[in-house]
Amino acid sequence: EAGVVQSPRYKIIEKKQPVAFWCNPISGHNTLYWYRQNLGQGPELLIRYENEEAVDDSQLPKDRFSAERLKGVDSTLKIQPAELGDSAVYLCASSLVSGAFEQFFGPGTRLTVL
Amino acid sequence: QKEVEQNSGPLSVPEGAIASLNCTYSDRGSQSFFWYRQYSGKSPELIMFIYSNGDKEDGRFTAQLNKASQYVSLLIRDSQPSDSATYLCAVHLAGQLTFGSGTQLTVLP
Repeated sequence: EAGVVQSPRYKIIEKKQPVAFWCNPISGHNTLYWYRQNLGQGPELLIRYENEEAVDDSQLPKDRFSAERLKGVDSTLKIQPAELGDSAVYLCASSLVSGAFEQFFGPGTRLTVL
Repeated sequence: QKEVEQNSGPLSVPEGAIASLNCTYSDRGSQSFFWYRQYSGKSPELIMFIYSNGDKEDGRFTAQLNKASQYVSLLIRDSQPSDSATYLCAVHLAGQLTFGSGTQLTVLP
């Protein structure tokens, strides 16, 4: 069974530039999560999707961040414009259903904003 | 007060010893509790989860939960150098996981 796929694995951009991250969850997983992990910290939830519906985006900085999950499968997270403080690892995870079930994480995208 | 608190470490134990990792949480409504292991530069992977008060054992790992004290722990018996990683405690509430900052464990050969 293929795991969660993310691309790119690494991205270096200058501040004020846009950037996008892509995630393909495990087949059949209805719930998709985007997390941000700063160095030395645990992952922090940005947004949670149930199929194509964003059910929890309260921690997504909506002035510069946007996300979509068309057709309830793969998802894209965008930052425009990027700021220095956005440098982090962006993790995508999926689970069969929402709630207290195992979340499987992708390898992450390491973003560096110069 | 952070929702999920862990000692950041680093915690060092000799090979073969028991490693004890601790976690406290603030929301009494929390329903289930997870331990993830994260190797440097890698993504988190689930080790164990626990829902009920008491102990849950899986191989060399034992999770302990005390809801009255809002305390979760992970014991690793017969620690191996390959157990060296950051261990993240995560608490489930209202459909989402809240992670602690992690405890860095080093097992010395």
